[in-house]
Amino acid sequence: AQSVTQLGSHVSVSEGALVLLRCNYSSSVPPYLFWYVQYPNQGLQLLLKYTSAATLVKGINGFEAEFKKSETSFHLTKPSAHMRDAAEYFCAVSDPVQGAQKLVFGQGTRLTINP
Amino acid sequence: DAGVTQSPTHLIKTRGQQVTLRCSPISGHKSVSWYQQVLGQGPQFIFQYYEKEERGRGNFPDRFSARQFPNYSSELNVNALLLGDSALYLCASRLGQETQYFGPGTRLLVL
Repeated sequence: AQSVTQLGSHVSVSEGALVLLRCNYSSSVPPYLFWYVQYPNQGLQLLLKYTSAATLVKGINGFEAEFKKSETSFHLTKPSAHMRDAAEYFCAVSDPVQGAQKLVFGQGTRLTINP
Repeated sequence: DAGVTQSPTHLIKTRGQQVTLRCSPISGHKSVSWYQQVLGQGPQFIFQYYEKEERGRGNFPDRFSARQFPNYSSELNVNALLLGDSALYLCASRLGQETQYFGPGTRLLVL
């Protein structure tokens, strides 16, 4: 079975500071990995995805994530936080062998940006 | 192009009632999945349909059912509603094997 652990349910950074949101996964097969963002009262928007190509993945809004197999991690980073980045972030894993039928999500990390 | 659309946006029901939620996928997408997101948690997989056939089911009771129509739209039905069914219900559509694109969700409140 696959699982995702997001370390830190709440992260607070100052505007302009580095954003680091942590995600560790468990999977018996090489996984697909995703980061989604959810703004208040909205659905999920895809930020970026890893599907066994380059281990450093660049996404929208200046975010990127690095797949580290040895650490079973897929942490999300952004060099300089903006106020508009305040949202809930979800890391998710799927099994490409089973056709990526379902996403298994972490509990989410709420990112707060301080002016 | 229009994204995934869901209706209604909000719904209030009482315990024991039945509810039907609707989803229209992105044009050309043949796969639809449903997720339940309880407040403060990540979404949990309920169903996946592809070409009108169920291809995956999560750990939800038989009160939950779904179907997909020839135009690839989908309905999620929940019978005998419980207070614990209050959640945001998300629909996602997919073209290939990788990325699921989510709709805005239907927020269900059971009183």
